[in-house]
Amino acid sequence: EPEVTQTPSHQVTQMGQEVILRCVPISNHLYFYWYRQILGQKVEFLVSFYNNEISEKSEIFDDQFSVERPDGSNFTLKIRSTKLEDSAMYFCASNRGAKAGYTFGSGTRLTVV
Amino acid sequence: GDSVTQMEGPVTLSEEAFLTINCTYTATGYPSLFWYVQYPGEGLQLLLKATKADDKGSNKGFEATYRKETTSFHLEKGSVQVSDSAVYFCALSFSPGGYNKLIFGAGTRLAVHP
Repeated sequence: EPEVTQTPSHQVTQMGQEVILRCVPISNHLYFYWYRQILGQKVEFLVSFYNNEISEKSEIFDDQFSVERPDGSNFTLKIRSTKLEDSAMYFCASNRGAKAGYTFGSGTRLTVV
Repeated sequence: GDSVTQMEGPVTLSEEAFLTINCTYTATGYPSLFWYVQYPGEGLQLLLKATKADDKGSNKGFEATYRKETTSFHLEKGSVQVSDSAVYFCALSFSPGGYNKLIFGAGTRLAVHP
């Protein structure tokens, strides 16, 4: 069964550093998403991406965040200057569109120290 | 705003017990409703969904009915197994296929003991 692949599974970074979280969505999917889950809290929507542009973003997704689909297969989330409160599990997801469910990746646990 | 409320966990059951995890929602429109499951160390997997009132979603012995009058989508299973131990998330979306953003509940951890 096709999978959404996320790398790395765990990343530790120092506060103020830039991080890039990587995702390979399912190849025939058209919509791509990032969600995050701070430990013990809800899974929160960050951003959706379609046709090479952001279709929706949450208030969490401020100027420190950006997304990119650089080569038609990868989908990345960049955090420019990490803060302690960015520590969370980040999930990538994709789907084909209407009447198709999401497929989530296994997540990247980001720890900012 | 739109939101999902789930019963707090953890829920601890013996094998073959009956499971109910409550979920209620607040939404301005007519959302689709979902249950996702997260097994230890894995991502979120769609367990079942319902796209309109009175629909029943079912999968792997789990089922949930979309109740518009009570704005609820409670998850049930008649006889749980140890392998059902996981975190269960209720979610809503305004697109039938869920291609709009999902709004999740806080998750309910289920632990099933032999």
